[in-house]
Parts: sequence; C-alpha cells; structure tokens
Amino acid sequence: LAKTTQPISMDSYEGQEVNITCSHNNIATNDYITWYQQFPSQGPRFIIQGYKTKVTNEVASLFIPADRKSSTLSLPRVSLSDTAVYYCLVGGTTSGTYKYIFGTGTRLKVLA
Amino acid sequence: GAVVSQHPSWVICKSGTSVKIECRSLDFQATTMFWYRQFPKQSLMLMATSNEGSKATYEQGVEKDKFLINHASLTLSTLTVTSAHPEDSSFYICSARNDRPPYEQYFGPGTRLTVT
Repeated sequence: LAKTTQPISMDSYEGQEVNITCSHNNIATNDYITWYQQFPSQGPRFIIQGYKTKVTNEVASLFIPADRKSSTLSLPRVSLSDTAVYYCLVGGTTSGTYKYIFGTGTRLKVLA
Repeated sequence: GAVVSQHPSWVICKSGTSVKIECRSLDFQATTMFWYRQFPKQSLMLMATSNEGSKATYEQGVEKDKFLINHASLTLSTLTVTSAHPEDSSFYICSARNDRPPYEQYFGPGTRLTVT
C-alpha cells in the first residue's frame, strides 16, 4: 500500500490560492490519487481524483507530475468555510488491494 | 455526486448492549464497503473491508467477534458493535467503493456512538 506524506497544517488568508502537496513515493501503476475534505464530526467529502497530469473540477485542481510520486491539490480563492482537514489517498485495483489507509492529513486554517 | 448514508447519525447505549449501524450507497452499487473509526482530532482508522456475499476482512487488532459486519446486498453493509463498552465510544464512518471505474470511494456522514 502506498504511504502518503502531507504537511500537518497550513494557514492561509481568504481569497488566496492554497496548494497542498502530498508525496507517495511507492505509488503503484494502477493506483489513483484522491483528495478528501473533512469537517469536524462529518465523513470525508470527495474533492477530486486523478491518475496523471492535471485534473480540474468546479472546486479544485489536481496536479500530478509524470513520475506520479507526488500530487498537489490546488484550491483557488479559499474562504473561511474551507477550513478543514484535507486527506490525500492513494489506491487502485492493484492485485485487488484498494483499501485506503489514511495519513495524518493537512489541517488547513483559513484566516480572515 | 454519489451519496452514502448512515443510520443512525448518533446513538447512546448502555454498556453491555449491542448497536447496529447501517451504511447504504444510495445511487450506485458497491460490492466493497469499508468501516472506519475516528477518535477526536485523529485520522480515520480502517477497521475492516466488507465484501458483498462474503466474509469481511478485518485489520490487525480489530476484534471480528466484537465488530460484526454483514454485507447482504450491493447497497447495504451493517456494523454491529456487540457488548459495547465505554472505550468503544467513537465516530464510526463507512465508505462505499463504486463498482465502476475509476472506482471512487464515497464516505457516509458518520455515526457518533456513545456508550455509558
């Protein structure tokens, strides 16, 4: 299982772009990279998923370099409501193993 | 997006009793579901992998006789905490893995269990 490493915490100000990088050096060929957001006492919410290059949806972008050993979640113009814990997860269907092992996540605090 | 529900959202029970938590995928089929536990200010800890029609696979250190998992259909998995004790009090979260590529996992809202 690919282990992920993220910064434990980050602070940002409203309106800024926030980039959170995750390293996953032993990612397997079939693994996807998925990011989740979690607020206190709620289940993680799916943000974005990608396999390589760049993926963009209505809330975020995900940048994945060619070697796929890291990924960066980009949140444009954050607001106070984006204060949450963000998890990077790696998993796929390699040998039928697709369970997610959560790391510490990154606690993002958005300041006014 | 895909929706996963959990019921109940919170429950208080007395020590020694059993509690059942349901996890449903509402708009997609999920042969595989997962159960997690989360303590305050900590990350999610995977407890077990639930597969429709077969026995669950438990993570090391998780007692299978205490945390009974049943995955009777492609949209429903249940977790029963048997003979609950105060140390079982926690936030239990399920996730369902979409059977279709790229196999996203969607999480339920969680169930807060308090054992008195």
